[in-house]
Amino acid sequence: DVKVTQSSRYLVKRTGEKVFLECVQDMDHENMFWYRQDPGLGLRLIYFSYDVKMKEKGDIPEGYSVSREKKERFSLILESASTNQTSMYLCASSFEYPYEQYFGPGTRLTVT
Amino acid sequence: DAKTTQPNSMESNEEEPVHLPCNHSTISGTDYIHWYRQLPSQGPEYVIHGLTSNVNNRMASLAIAEDRKSSTLILHRATLRDAAVYYCILRDNNNAGKSTFGDGTTLTVKP
Repeated sequence: DVKVTQSSRYLVKRTGEKVFLECVQDMDHENMFWYRQDPGLGLRLIYFSYDVKMKEKGDIPEGYSVSREKKERFSLILESASTNQTSMYLCASSFEYPYEQYFGPGTRLTVT
Repeated sequence: DAKTTQPNSMESNEEEPVHLPCNHSTISGTDYIHWYRQLPSQGPEYVIHGLTSNVNNRMASLAIAEDRKSSTLILHRATLRDAAVYYCILRDNNNAGKSTFGDGTTLTVKP
């Protein structure tokens, strides 16, 4: 059974903290993605990676960075968390286009 | 970027067919049409995708208009477990990450 796991389901952090969200997939997928989901705004792409150490900005990369040192792991980093980064964060992976994406369960991050 | 337009919400009765429409009038020749659904408190789940021809799988059917400017996801017999938000997105053949999720259609299934 294919699986994308995320390190936490719920996370509460303070403004200014550095936050790491981890995503691991066990399907040997080349592509990995980070989205955030907010009411009324749908899913918005933050960053994606098409290979180890390769990354491309999505629609809303400001305030975020990513790291992909191993094929199975893709990390999202909030360098200095702010309250407007309170959101649901979803990780996904896929083989080369046009194959389907598999999503993790999401991490609900609250920044206070 | 090519965008999609879907109705905000639809209702269906259990065990009846459901036709979920999607408009994508600015679709390009290299865009595939993908459908996902998201159950409450879960990440999105892949349903089906297609390019030009109609497609069937165990979950649903996808009917694509001849001009590709619209498509319809067909659930042949809706169940209560099909209640979800359904997203129609376009995936660019030349860029794996270049796709936009809209607001989707919230499907309510009545017993």
